[in-house]
Amino acid sequence: DADVTQTPRNRITKTGKRIMLECSQTKGHDRMYWYRQDPGLGLRLIYYSFDVKDINKGEISDGYSVSRQAQAKFSLSLESAIPNQTALYFCATSGQGSQETQYFGPGTRLLVL
Amino acid sequence: QKEVEQNSGPLSVPEGAIASLNCTYSDRVSQSFFWYRQYSGKSPELIMSIYSNGDKEDGRFTAQLNKASQYVSLLIRDSQPSDSATYLCAVKSPGGYQKVTFGTGTKLQVIP
Repeated sequence: DADVTQTPRNRITKTGKRIMLECSQTKGHDRMYWYRQDPGLGLRLIYYSFDVKDINKGEISDGYSVSRQAQAKFSLSLESAIPNQTALYFCATSGQGSQETQYFGPGTRLLVL
Repeated sequence: QKEVEQNSGPLSVPEGAIASLNCTYSDRVSQSFFWYRQYSGKSPELIMSIYSNGDKEDGRFTAQLNKASQYVSLLIRDSQPSDSATYLCAVKSPGGYQKVTFGTGTKLQVIP
């Protein structure tokens, strides 16, 4: 089984709809992240969480919110989806320590019409 | 100036050749450096990490770090068609958040 899972894997929605992307991990990591990836722009951090009670904005948090329901679960919500939120979304996890790497989920491809 | 810069490519090399991928970064206090491979439509997967100046080898991959020049590279020896992917350079800065910044990636094409 995959260590980091994301649901759904693909989603088509309409402008103005609220949607939630979910991430679960079995790696036992405390730290979880949400990124979006757009062609030519690379991976950009939306939100990150170092533990259940710690939520922080990344570089592009406007229009998004998150919930850390448990150590293993981190959800990303688009309150009112807009077309420029069409992107590939990745969840990632990492352990503690200055040299810990990030491990990515399989991604969610979102299309906002 | 971008925090982490990579040539977008595509970089085309013949099968069996050495592929050289380069990355420069702007934050002099960066401590940790990573190379991820990403196949089209898939998630990034870690290939190499390097923390000290010099070379680090793992199989056909060698990461090279020069902190004075703020430069990190990835060499792939005996390139295979299966190495065709986008390679992302990532740099971690010290501090409370330990921010990781990703480059936009270099697309590598290995020609059979």
